[in-house]
Amino acid sequence: DAGVIQSPRHEVTEMGQEVTLRCKPISGHDYLFWYRQTMMRGLELLIYFNNNVPIDDSGMPEDRFSAKMPNASFSTLKIQPSEPRDSAVYFCASSWDRVHNEQFFGPGTRLTVL
Amino acid sequence: AQRVTQPEKLLSVFKGAPVELKCNYSYSGSPELFWYVQYSRQRLQLLLRHISRESIKGFTADLNKGETSFHLKKPFAQEEDSAMYYCALSVGSWGKLQFGAGTQVVVTP
Repeated sequence: DAGVIQSPRHEVTEMGQEVTLRCKPISGHDYLFWYRQTMMRGLELLIYFNNNVPIDDSGMPEDRFSAKMPNASFSTLKIQPSEPRDSAVYFCASSWDRVHNEQFFGPGTRLTVL
Repeated sequence: AQRVTQPEKLLSVFKGAPVELKCNYSYSGSPELFWYVQYSRQRLQLLLRHISRESIKGFTADLNKGETSFHLKKPFAQEEDSAMYYCALSVGSWGKLQFGAGTQVVVTP
């Protein structure tokens, strides 16, 4: 198993452009999490899904951010329009269930918005 | 509101010396705490969880509810312990994790 897969690994874009980050969770995991990591704010939970349904999106910074999980094996995090302050590493993680609660992280996508 | 505090951003220790990473939390419910680690060029991964009361790679962590702490300890640090360590608190009924700011550990020979 390749673990959680994220693409792209690096993204450089210009302010105002749309950015789409992708995640494939580990097969069989019911929970999927999107995090953002910055020097200033550390690791922040943006949103998470259970069985493809968004459960808590209180960490999504503003309306420019949106996340979807159309099926159990794919999720996207979209930023439109992007701004320089969105520059960060974005992690996706997945988990079996509430009892185990061990989250398996992807390698992250490093986003730079110029 | 729940909070996880890791007061040390950087911890530099010599090989063979004891190392202790501090973690304090605030949470009104029954806490579930974890330590995650990220080695250089590797993914963030679970190191240990308080409920298991286990020792992983020589590390232990004891939950002290009176002091609201979950410090991570190892009696003899090794160079391969150099990494970024995050303390995390599970909040709510859905397993949502709140992470501390992280502590970078550097073990020098």
